[in-house]
Amino acid sequence: AQSVTQLGSHVSVSEGALVLLRCNYSSSVPPYLFWYVQYPNQGLQLLLKYTTGATLVKGINGFEAEFKKSETSFHLTKPSAHMSDAAEYFCAVSALNQAGTALIFGKGTTLSVSS
Amino acid sequence: GAGVSQSPSNKVTEKGKDVELRCDPISGHTALYWYRQSLGQGLEFLIYFQGNSAPDKSGLPSDRFSAERTGGSVSTLTIQRTQQEDSAVYLCASSPLRDIGEQYFGPGTRLTVT
Repeated sequence: AQSVTQLGSHVSVSEGALVLLRCNYSSSVPPYLFWYVQYPNQGLQLLLKYTTGATLVKGINGFEAEFKKSETSFHLTKPSAHMSDAAEYFCAVSALNQAGTALIFGKGTTLSVSS
Repeated sequence: GAGVSQSPSNKVTEKGKDVELRCDPISGHTALYWYRQSLGQGLEFLIYFQGNSAPDKSGLPSDRFSAERTGGSVSTLTIQRTQQEDSAVYLCASSPLRDIGEQYFGPGTRLTVT
């Protein structure tokens, strides 16, 4: 069984500050890990994904995440927040090598960015 | 190309009525998923279709929920005898088999049961 825990339902940062959104997962098999973003009144958009290989993954809009197996974590970071980053962010896990497996999502973290 | 589309975008219905929600996946995507997004519950998996295989219905919350996928393309999610707790945003996603886990989401249908 797999699960995802996102620590902090709401994170507030100032424009230009570091963004850190936390995600821990539980999986009995090697996981595929994802971060999705949902802007207000829009659908989910993939930010980045980890499947195999390099543990530091770069995504769109300057975001990156690092897979740390020892910590069962996949935290999302961005060095400098922009006002346009305000959105809801979801971490998700699926099972490695199972094509088409449904994603298991965390409950989401709302990011607010102030000027 | 065109993304995943869903209709209607908003649906208000009275308690006890049946509703049908439609999803048009990206052309050529063999996998199709339905999720439900509600306040306090996050995103919940409902059902998954892969090609012509029997669907994975393990996420359906009750037997009032059902879904079909015709011709391996368009899918319809049906909720019978709607209840107020069914109010949520219903999201559809599709995926090409080669991109394990990467799913492309539609804009969702916001269902309100009064």
